Amino acid sequence: AQSVTQLDSHVSVSEGTPVLLRCNYSSSYSPSLFWYVQHPNKGLQLLLKYTSAATLVKGINGFEAEFKKSETSFHLTKPSAHMSDAAEYFCVVTLNYGGSQGNLIFGKGTKLSVKP
Amino acid sequence: EAQVTQNPRYLITVTGKKLTVTCSQNMNHEYMSWYRQDPGLGLRQIYYSMNVEVTDKGDVPEGYKVSRKEKRNFPLILESPSPNQTSLYFCAIQDRALSTDTQYFGPGTRLTVL
Repeated sequence: AQSVTQLDSHVSVSEGTPVLLRCNYSSSYSPSLFWYVQHPNKGLQLLLKYTSAATLVKGINGFEAEFKKSETSFHLTKPSAHMSDAAEYFCVVTLNYGGSQGNLIFGKGTKLSVKP
Repeated sequence: EAQVTQNPRYLITVTGKKLTVTCSQNMNHEYMSWYRQDPGLGLRQIYYSMNVEVTDKGDVPEGYKVSRKEKRNFPLILESPSPNQTSLYFCAIQDRALSTDTQYFGPGTRLTVL
């Protein structure tokens, strides 16, 4: 069975400092992993995805994530936070094999606050 | 560009009054899905459809129905809504032919059941 755990429900950083949003997953098969962002009163936007290619994945808006199989982690990072990064972030896992049904398993979300 | 349209975007209704939330796509994708989002719980899948006339339950299907009579539309039906179905609902599509595992989400429908 697959599952995903976002280790922090809320993270607060100052503008210009690094961002780290933590995610651990559990999957019996080779997973695909995603980070989605949801700004207040907005829909979901794909930030980046890992699908068994390079383990360091670069996404939009300066975010990146590293797939670490030995640690079953897929943490999201950004070197320097911007006020516009304040949003809720979701780590997502799905199976990655030939007959994938595409069912996504969402983490419970991490709210990122950015202080001026 | 993939476009997923949901209607209505906001709805306030009363317990027991049947309602339908429509979802429509412009990409001819086979896979469509419905999720609900609740604070502290992330998104949970309600139903999904692999193709026309092929639907299956997700993690939280109780109290919901769906239909897939044509490829572009995947309505979510609440036959007798209850207050615990107050939530934010998202429709999603996926291009399974490319096996990208990436889903595109609609803008969301905020439902309040009184």
